[in-house]
Amino acid sequence: DAGVIQSPRHEVTEMGQEVTLRCKPISGHDYLFWYRQTMMRGLELLIYFNNNVPIDDSGMPEDRFSAKMPNASFSTLKIQPSEPRDSAVYFCASSLTSLAGNTGELFFGEGSRLTVL
Amino acid sequence: AQSVTQLGSHVSVSEGALVLLRCNYSSSVPPYLFWYVQYPNQGLQLLLKYTTGATLVKGINGFEAEFKKSETSFHLTKPSAHMSDAAEYFCAVSAPNFGNEKLTFGTGTRLTIIP
Repeated sequence: DAGVIQSPRHEVTEMGQEVTLRCKPISGHDYLFWYRQTMMRGLELLIYFNNNVPIDDSGMPEDRFSAKMPNASFSTLKIQPSEPRDSAVYFCASSLTSLAGNTGELFFGEGSRLTVL
Repeated sequence: AQSVTQLGSHVSVSEGALVLLRCNYSSSVPPYLFWYVQYPNQGLQLLLKYTTGATLVKGINGFEAEFKKSETSFHLTKPSAHMSDAAEYFCAVSAPNFGNEKLTFGTGTRLTIIP
């Protein structure tokens, strides 16, 4: 089975440009999470969705960041305008609520490494 | 709210030696606890998890962890380190049956194996 698929794997852009990161969760999973990883701040939860509905976006750093999940198989994280301090690895992860309840296990994509010059 | 503290951002052990990575948690409800591993340029993958039941949990690659409620700990161990164990390890906590499906991660411990 295919895992969580993220694109692009690497993105280099200039300050002020719009960046769109994409994620395809594992089929059938009902939760989707966006994390950001940096050396200074570690892993930060940005936002998560349940059944395509945003549940908690308190980790989104500022209005320049937005995330959408138009359907169960696709999500985007957009940064507009981008700044050098947004340089990080952005991870998408998905999980499943089974009949036995949600075990909280996340399945991560390989990440999108963003560099803003 | 839940949180985890990982003691030691870097740990070095010799090949064949015991690996011990420490994690303490804080939770107002019975937690679910996890250890994830991240190899260079990859996403995180689950090593093992504790939800309910047996407090000694075995995972992949010979790792295990023990949930100790009295000590609020969930330390990760492996009897004999292998070169392939070099990676970053993250402890995480959640409370999915109490309305909190999101994982809260620790700051990570980078494990180096000395030949």
